[in-house]
Amino acid sequence: QVQLQESGPGLVKPSETLSLTCTVSGGSITNYYWSWIRQPPGKGLEWIGYIYYTGSTNYNPSLKSRVTLSVDTSNNQFSLRLTSVTAADTAVYYCAGLGDMGYYFDSWGQGTLVTASS
Amino acid sequence: DIVMTQSPDSLAVSLGERATIKCKSSQSVLFSSDKKNYLAWYQQKPGQSPKLLIYWASTRESGVPDRFSGSGSGTEFTLTISSLQAEDVAVYYCQQYYSTPYTFGQGTKLEIK
Repeated sequence: QVQLQESGPGLVKPSETLSLTCTVSGGSITNYYWSWIRQPPGKGLEWIGYIYYTGSTNYNPSLKSRVTLSVDTSNNQFSLRLTSVTAADTAVYYCAGLGDMGYYFDSWGQGTLVTASS
Repeated sequence: DIVMTQSPDSLAVSLGERATIKCKSSQSVLFSSDKKNYLAWYQQKPGQSPKLLIYWASTRESGVPDRFSGSGSGTEFTLTISSLQAEDVAVYYCQQYYSTPYTFGQGTKLEIK
């Protein structure tokens, strides 16, 4: 099974942009859907969106105006950009792979805590 | 959005006993054309990322012990652990993938009594 690893800054200032990258190893990023999910400290899971290796995307409407997902097939990576962050965006951000062509999340990264604070 | 509601919020069960967690969706997640329920269950142990246990409401993921089982259809689903082990202490989440935005239940915290 593939392994996923998130990377990026752990601290972002309010009003600035959060940027994270997920590196996929042990398999190809092609022919698969990839997603970002976040979890505020002590709270539940929120789906942010998914991207297919072709670049096709689907975003959660609650975040759609601020989110951009992108994919880099040459480096087996996909990325998240979230603009205009506030304290409410403080969370552990997980990247995940979707099984069965875009449904349940069958592989997860370890997660990375991003804190929005000045 | 489809709202997923789990019950109870927390549960304490003795080792070796049965644990049952319920999940209810605000609309049916049974797709008429393929007769599949678009529902999954995850286990999240403290300090870890979630792990897929069950998909299509009742299909166990490879490597998941057979004491874990999923059942239900339409809007009501159950995750059952037939004989609780110490390593099953975790928060359990249901998730629908019938329609986007994909949504999760609020989680059920399972502890040892």
